[in-house]
Amino acid sequence: ILNVEQSPQSLHVQEGDSTNFTCSFPSSNFYALHWYRWETAKSPEALFVMTLNGDEKKKGRISATLNTKEGYSYLYIKGSQPEDSATYLCAFFTNAGKSTFGDGTTLTVKP
Amino acid sequence: DAGVIQSPRHEVTEMGQEVTLRCKPISGHNSLFWYRQTMMRGLELLIYFNNNVPIDDSGMPEDRFSAKMPNASFSTLKIQPSEPRDSAVYFCASSLAGQSRSYEQYFGPGTRLTVT
Repeated sequence: ILNVEQSPQSLHVQEGDSTNFTCSFPSSNFYALHWYRWETAKSPEALFVMTLNGDEKKKGRISATLNTKEGYSYLYIKGSQPEDSATYLCAFFTNAGKSTFGDGTTLTVKP
Repeated sequence: DAGVIQSPRHEVTEMGQEVTLRCKPISGHNSLFWYRQTMMRGLELLIYFNNNVPIDDSGMPEDRFSAKMPNASFSTLKIQPSEPRDSAVYFCASSLAGQSRSYEQYFGPGTRLTVT
């Protein structure tokens, strides 16, 4: 069993606040780390695919960093908007292609 | 592209019945994944295929569960016999794995299964 942990479990912020959450994963057999955004009643959608130590990815107000040596990734949201409310999942992939998802961080942005 | 297609979207069945869930991956994708989502365990990988071949089925809960991928455009997940604890949302996802090292997955809408 691969231990992938996300924190915090849930987060409530005001519109305009910046926020970040953490994904911790095993530092061995690393192949890739994905971030997904999952809105209620929809399917998960990929945000970022990260494969190299030190990777930084950005999409609009959302960015992510990766540290494979210590086994963590951060997801940042700058100037949160109500439409950012969702559950953010990270998924750890081994070099055998097996994926393990974290339990997610549920973000609620209040207008 | 229509994306990953799953059917049915909802299934209600009685305990002991056979249930078959279907998935059509995105054309050209060579990897297919079946996941189960429950409140207790979150999103769990059940099995995944690469080029129609099952690579890892260690997540399949027990022998009542089986999955097949007879060709690149179709996969089934079968539960026989079904039990109430199988009630969950079952997602299928596909990806284009390979040289890009990108296993970015595209999820279908899910099948909500209720076993009474």
